[in-house]
Amino acid sequence: AQSVSQHNHHVILSEAASLELGCNYSYGGTVNLFWYVQYPGQHLQLLLKYFSGDPLVKGIKGFEAEFIKSKFSFNLRKPSVQWSDTAEYFCAGANNAGNMLTFGGGTRLMVKP
Amino acid sequence: ETGVTQTPRHLVMGMTNKKSLKCEQHLGHNAMYWYKQSAKKPLELMFVYSLEERVENNSVPSRFSPECPNSSHLFLHLHTLQPEDSALYLCASSQGTSGRVTDTQYFGPGTRLTVL
Repeated sequence: AQSVSQHNHHVILSEAASLELGCNYSYGGTVNLFWYVQYPGQHLQLLLKYFSGDPLVKGIKGFEAEFIKSKFSFNLRKPSVQWSDTAEYFCAGANNAGNMLTFGGGTRLMVKP
Repeated sequence: ETGVTQTPRHLVMGMTNKKSLKCEQHLGHNAMYWYKQSAKKPLELMFVYSLEERVENNSVPSRFSPECPNSSHLFLHLHTLQPEDSALYLCASSQGTSGRVTDTQYFGPGTRLTVL
């Protein structure tokens, strides 16, 4: 069965610190990976996605993620976080048929000003 | 503002009640989705509709009954729910006609459901 796991449930950083949120997946075959973000009081929205090609994917607001097939990982990174990055981040994976989407449990990030 | 609205935003119902959740998308999309977000559990995909036809039903109990009368509206009819069904129910839409979950989805704010 496919699964997506996020290592950290809660992360607290100071502004300007670097961010890396872990995501591991367990899938057979081709995998499509996503990071979604939910800012306080706002709707869930897509940050970035990986389907194929360059394993380093750039998303909105300075975020990027790297697909490392050998590690079954798709970690989210940002070199310097801002207070406005405070949010909950969700990693998700879909099978190639596009009929199954599995979310990780989410990571709550708090950035202290 | 994502263009996907959900009503009501909060709902409290007894186990014998029948209620419906409504989702409306103003984006001209062709596919719509229902998700369940329970406390301490990952977001779960429940139903997928594409061009008003159900594409996927991920083993959801029959006490949840979706309805998609047109590509802009999606309902989730609820009856004889259990307290463990209390959760945030999210609706999403996407542009593609295939209902593939890999299409970029736009989410609504959710309905917070409490079953007593």
